[in-house]
Order: sequence, then structure tokens, then C-alpha cells
Amino acid sequence: DGGITQSPKYLFRKEGQNVTLSCEQNLNHDAMYWYRQDPGQGLRLIYYSQIVNDFQKGDIAEGYSVSREKKESFPLTVTSAQKNPTAFYLCASSSAAGVSNEQFFGPGTRLTVL
Amino acid sequence: EDKVVQSPLSLVVHEGDTVTLNCSYEVTNFRSLLWYKQEKKAPTFLFMLTSSGIEKKSGRLSSILDKKELFSILNITATQTGDSAIYLCAVLKTSYDKVIFGPGTSLSVIP
Repeated sequence: DGGITQSPKYLFRKEGQNVTLSCEQNLNHDAMYWYRQDPGQGLRLIYYSQIVNDFQKGDIAEGYSVSREKKESFPLTVTSAQKNPTAFYLCASSSAAGVSNEQFFGPGTRLTVL
Repeated sequence: EDKVVQSPLSLVVHEGDTVTLNCSYEVTNFRSLLWYKQEKKAPTFLFMLTSSGIEKKSGRLSSILDKKELFSILNITATQTGDSAIYLCAVLKTSYDKVIFGPGTSLSVIP
């Protein structure tokens, strides 16, 4: 079955630690996205990538980093510089930059900083 | 600054009621407007609207876009408890496939 997988489902981290969230897709999609969801604020874009080895900052990129070494994978690292990392993180992909008509979402990772 | 606004932010109705959810936007390089339903985890796609005045329907759900007034509505008729969810409106821009989401409308349907 084609789709997007995110792991882990739940993640706990101590303050001051970096943590990496995994996102993998087997849809052969060019574009991939990371969103953060906080209660009452909808989805906010962190980073997006239109093609392998290229990515762009979204609206709230500070304290986060990404890489896109493979088409299928777009991992997100939440660094210790992110002041309020506790949130629900969603990864998405779409078929081709500029012509896609919808985004497919993964199941999400809920990150809690203790 | 691009923005998408939804109203109401929350809504409680009884089963069988009809509801209308609103979405307005101010976005440069508009391409399409998207509606999603989010229950517990990831949003699921409902509609994509690109042209004004053409209603899209799927069962009890329907939606229409007004590109002149920069507005869209999502209608749900004969609501059921399974319609309880957050409904997200989003705008897809022509450049770089960037999508701007609204804050969502939380709908609760009670028996």
C-alpha cells in the first residue's frame, strides 16, 4: 500500500536534547512538507522540499532543521534551540511541485518535552 | 501577509441539523482552495476548489468557492455524530506548492 509513514507515534524528550522525527513516503512524490499543529492554531509550515537535495524554510523554521537526501525521506530534527517544541508534527507530500492538487498526510508524531 | 480565516472556530449542533462552515482568504498567487476533515490524527482530503461558482458534492457534504469575494463555504446536511471533527480550510499557492491553512472549525454533533 502506498502512503506516508511517520515514526515514532509518541516521543518524549528532555529539555536540551535534539530529536529527529522520521517521515517516509512510497508515493513517488517530489514535494514533501513538515507542519506543526498546536491547539487552536491550525497547521503551520516548518519546512518544505520540492525536490531532492533542496528545501525551503516555512513560516516557523527557527529551531528546526531538515534534510532531503532521498526522494522518499524527509526527516525533521527538533533542536534544543526550539523554545516550545511540544506539539503534534505532521508530514505531508504531494505529487509534483507547482501542479499538485492535494497533499497526503502521515499519521503524525506527538512530541512532548519534559 | 497571506492569511486564511475560518468561522466559527467551534460549533455544536444536534444530529440532523445542517451546518455551514466559512472560510475567507487573503493570499497572493492563489491556485486552489482545499477543505480537509481532521478527526484524531492526520487531515483527510475533502474537496479542492479552483473555479468560482461550481459546487462540489460528496454525499451530504458540498462546497463552493467565490473567487471575487475570496470566500468559500462547506455545507453539511443531515449531520451525524460521525461528522464531529475539525474542518480545515487551506489555500494552495501557485508557487512551490505552498499551502496555507486556516485555524479550523471544531464541529461537535450531539445525538
